[in-house]
Amino acid sequence: DTGVSQDPRHKITKRGQNVTFRCDPISEHNRLYWYRQTLGQGPEFLTYFQNEAQLEKSRLLSDRFSAERPKGSFSTLEIQRTEQGDSAMYLCASSSADGSGSTDTQYFGPGTRLTVL
Amino acid sequence: GENVEQHPSTLSVQEGDSAVIKCTYSDSASNYFPWYKQELGKRPQLIIDIRSNVGEKKDQRIAVTLNKTAKHFSLHITETQPEDSAVYFCAAINAGNMLTFGGGTRLMVKP
Repeated sequence: DTGVSQDPRHKITKRGQNVTFRCDPISEHNRLYWYRQTLGQGPEFLTYFQNEAQLEKSRLLSDRFSAERPKGSFSTLEIQRTEQGDSAMYLCASSSADGSGSTDTQYFGPGTRLTVL
Repeated sequence: GENVEQHPSTLSVQEGDSAVIKCTYSDSASNYFPWYKQELGKRPQLIIDIRSNVGEKKDQRIAVTLNKTAKHFSLHITETQPEDSAVYFCAAINAGNMLTFGGGTRLMVKP
């Protein structure tokens, strides 16, 4: 499978615990995005990387959330001290900037469904 | 920031009929408008997209139109089939490369 992959697919945790999710983008895609989707809603942007640089962060991303993309390939999203309101589907997407300045198409992974008890 | 509104929230059609979903956006700098289809428990999948220098784009039974002046764009599905049943999301991107999604339309195609 050459698409975007995410791990784990499901995570159940107790309130107050820390969790970490991983995203592997499509090979050679230099842009990687994290979104959060709650039931019945559209995905909401969280943050985005170009190579290893984190270029944008949403105001939704509280200080309990941190994302990294250390080598410009896979990325991790960590949530510290989880709260019940963090329960959602966390989606990763990737795209390839072709240098022409045109907006590139984002392809989504299957998501990690987080349930905080 | 960008705000995208999508209507209707649910749409029920008979197999073979056409379906139209409409979206409006607020940021005149937005220049790229993708549509995603999401089946229950699955990832959003791109079905068609349009850039701001084009007014219409068609791919088999699916077409998208864009009116930059009015800041709205629409998805048209002709000859609907039961497998078209899903939630459809419109989205817009401005210079920041962040997708802003509409609230989604649940399309139900009745056989």
